[in-house]
Amino acid sequence: DAKTTQPNSMESNEEEPVHLPCNHSTISGTDYIHWYRQLPSQGPEYVIHGLTSNVNNRMASLAIAEDRKSSTLILHRATLRDAAVYYCILDNAGNMLTFGGGTRLMVKP
Amino acid sequence: NAGVTQTPKFRILKIGQSMTLQCTQDMNHNYMYWYRQDPGMGLKLIYYSVGAGITDKGEVPNGYNVSRSTTEDFPLRLELAAPSQTSVYFCASSSGDTSTDTQYFGPGTRLTVL
Repeated sequence: DAKTTQPNSMESNEEEPVHLPCNHSTISGTDYIHWYRQLPSQGPEYVIHGLTSNVNNRMASLAIAEDRKSSTLILHRATLRDAAVYYCILDNAGNMLTFGGGTRLMVKP
Repeated sequence: NAGVTQTPKFRILKIGQSMTLQCTQDMNHNYMYWYRQDPGMGLKLIYYSVGAGITDKGEVPNGYNVSRSTTEDFPLRLELAAPSQTSVYFCASSSGDTSTDTQYFGPGTRLTVL
């Protein structure tokens, strides 16, 4: 399986944008880029996914590099409720997700 | 819709005891999964099922068994509990649409084996 590399942790101030990076240099042409997050003491929840083009939804935006070897999850205005572990995952279907360590996002008031 | 529900929320077992973790989904999803999450780590896939009567091993299946007799239910069985099985267990489900599938997770069962 293609692997992803994420920073262990990041900090952000409340109400400011957050850019969470993910490197995936061995991504294959059929791999989708999925982002999930896990709030404290909860199961993971889907955030967003994309293949080649940038994607937006009500939770976040996903910016995908032209060569697809990296991507960035963008939270436009971080809130305290966005403090979570964010996982960047590659999969060609979304069915077999392999979770790495993720990035722990801390949001300061 | 309740989504994915898991019972119990917490359980303490003695070494060698057995138990079944229950998982039910009401979204009529074909695919169901069991993961475990050790402290500070990501989730690891234990078993999955692509439909009633079909199950397959994931990354860490040893010490566990599953069955899938209905679309809704996917119980996970621990036969001889060991301290190494102390973990948080998450059940998930997805529709199985291969192009844009999304997994929905339950709230988890925290298991301690002493």
